[in-house]
Amino acid sequence: QKEVEQDPGPLSVPEGAIVSLNCTYSNSAFQYFMWYRQYSRKGPELLMYTYSSGNKEDGRFTAQVDKSSKYISLFIRDSQPSDSATYLCAMSALTGANSKLTFGKGITLSVRP
Amino acid sequence: ETGVTQSPTHLIKTRGQQVTLRCSSQSGHNTVSWYQQALGQGPQFIFQYYREEENGRGNFPPRFSGLQFPNYSSELNVNALELDDSALYLCASSTQETQYFGPGTRLLVL
Repeated sequence: QKEVEQDPGPLSVPEGAIVSLNCTYSNSAFQYFMWYRQYSRKGPELLMYTYSSGNKEDGRFTAQVDKSSKYISLFIRDSQPSDSATYLCAMSALTGANSKLTFGKGITLSVRP
Repeated sequence: ETGVTQSPTHLIKTRGQQVTLRCSSQSGHNTVSWYQQALGQGPQFIFQYYREEENGRGNFPPRFSGLQFPNYSSELNVNALELDDSALYLCASSTQETQYFGPGTRLLVL
């Protein structure tokens, strides 16, 4: 079993839809949770960063962490064609100089105009 | 833009050769990490450098080695290249909270 499992894709939605992206993990030491967006042939771009359980909102994006269920989610409201990309969840037990990110496989999202 | 730059952008090598990839960290970041991302997969942690010392290593063989310089720039060296080394190599520099990635170097081993 991989440490981080991400819902398989690809995912295709119409413009304006609410998108839900999910990851589960097995390592209870993970405390820091991130979502990265990666456009084709580019490096990952940090979207959301959360520590421990709870919700965090940034514009159209909401990150949710449930440590008791070892489950994290990213919600995208009013999705736009420009949101079409691969979304990667990542997590780590420590931060800063001792961080090692463990990633999910990624899910490719396509938002249809 | 994250301020993390990598060179070259693309590289083609043949099996058995050696390659050096370079990374310039974002100003003020003293930690750099390297990841390998195979096609259709998430990035896999190779190793991390903090103040010029290796500070953690993933499940990669010793032919993957690195350096960090006093200005916090970094190199990834891969010896005896294998076909499976074909991937996007990502460098990330860290704040106290998280990591910011460069655009990557795409390596193709023939």
